[in-house]
Amino acid sequence: GEDVEQSLFLSVREGDSSVINCTYTDSSSTYLYWYKQEPGAGLQLLTYIFSNMDMKQDQRLTVLLNKKDKHLSLRIADTQTGDSAIYFCADASGGSYIPTFGRGTSLIVHP
Amino acid sequence: DGGITQSPKYLFRKEGQNVTLSCEQNLNHDAMYWYRQDPGQGLRLIYYSQIVNDFQKGDIAEGYSVSREKKESFPLTVTSAQKNPTAFYLCASSIRRGGVDEQFFGPGTRLTVL
Repeated sequence: GEDVEQSLFLSVREGDSSVINCTYTDSSSTYLYWYKQEPGAGLQLLTYIFSNMDMKQDQRLTVLLNKKDKHLSLRIADTQTGDSAIYFCADASGGSYIPTFGRGTSLIVHP
Repeated sequence: DGGITQSPKYLFRKEGQNVTLSCEQNLNHDAMYWYRQDPGQGLRLIYYSQIVNDFQKGDIAEGYSVSREKKESFPLTVTSAQKNPTAFYLCASSIRRGGVDEQFFGPGTRLTVL
């Protein structure tokens, strides 16, 4: 079945860039998402990328997609303490609009 | 303001009792979902509904039930048959925009079964 994998933790210093990585197995993925979850809250859509794109930039966020390797990354420039959260990668294929979520990566930003 | 509300935020129940979690949305979305979140496990789909009076089982539906009598409401009942009900429950709704299905999440209900 479909699978989305992420590392569980990432620790960075304030002001540095953060790169969160994700791999997926569904070759028919139509688009992929990044969601953010702050402590004790629901998920919030950060950005998404269509599978026919290589890169998408939105202010401090850069999404890179390597479709050949089925690898997705989210780069956060100038990471701030307010970026500390869990980041979920998810993919959706044309056959099902319901995304498959990874386990989430906890981003810890320290001074 | 449009959004999704879940109540209560924290819920405590004794083992063997059924409990119903509320989810309401005023976004006029047709599709609604229930997820369960456990530490380090990500989100697992319990039930979803694409339209009023219709719903389908997700990956972990056993021990749960839902109803969808109104577009705005999608309550989840955690029954005594659910073996390990303590978890964080998230409700979501979705809309298709620009060829992408965007999900909007509620703030969640943390259920603790004692």
